[in-house]
Amino acid sequence: RKEVEQDPGPFNVPEGATVAFNCTYSNSASQSFFWYRQDCRKEPKLLMSVYSSGNEDGRFTAQLNRASQYISLLIRDSKLSDSATYLCVAQRGAAGNKLTFGGGTRVLVKP
Amino acid sequence: NAGVTQTPKFQVLKTGQSMTLQCAQDMNHEYMSWYRQDPGMGLRLIHYSVGAGITDQGEVPNGYNVSRSTTEDFPLRLLSAAPSQTSVYFCASSRLGGPQETQYFGPGTRLLVL
Repeated sequence: RKEVEQDPGPFNVPEGATVAFNCTYSNSASQSFFWYRQDCRKEPKLLMSVYSSGNEDGRFTAQLNRASQYISLLIRDSKLSDSATYLCVAQRGAAGNKLTFGGGTRVLVKP
Repeated sequence: NAGVTQTPKFQVLKTGQSMTLQCAQDMNHEYMSWYRQDPGMGLRLIHYSVGAGITDQGEVPNGYNVSRSTTEDFPLRLLSAAPSQTSVYFCASSRLGGPQETQYFGPGTRLLVL
């Protein structure tokens, strides 16, 4: 079983709609969580960190459920520019070598 | 700031050939790392470094060597290329301040081994 698992999608989303997807992690020692965005054939870029209390950044909301070991990302009022692959990342220590990436969830926003 | 740069962007190798993928960053980051990304597999850590002169293995180190002679540069060497090393390679860097430090990725090198 992969340490961080994601539904690969694609999630086909009408422009303006809301989409949400989860990521599960198996290592209970994971302490910090992130969502990275990766455009086609580009490098991953940090979208947002995920805090225990949940956090929001504009149209994006991230939630963490430690009891069930999953994190979620919700995108409201989807834009065409939100089309990308969203990578879930779990970190089990302070240093960067403790990052584990999920395989990514592909989101396609259509007019 | 150029951020993290990688060269080359694309490379085709024959089985058995060796090559070096270059990575440089101008943000004075202590931590640098190499990942490979294969379809459906996510990014997997190959090697990493927490400072000049210090390197260590990640999840998938076999067939790769690294060195860190300066803070800025972290080259990845393929000793004898194999088709299984066909992948997209990303270099990343960050500060060593704590778990919330952002990883900055280079644009990637697409490698095809025939």
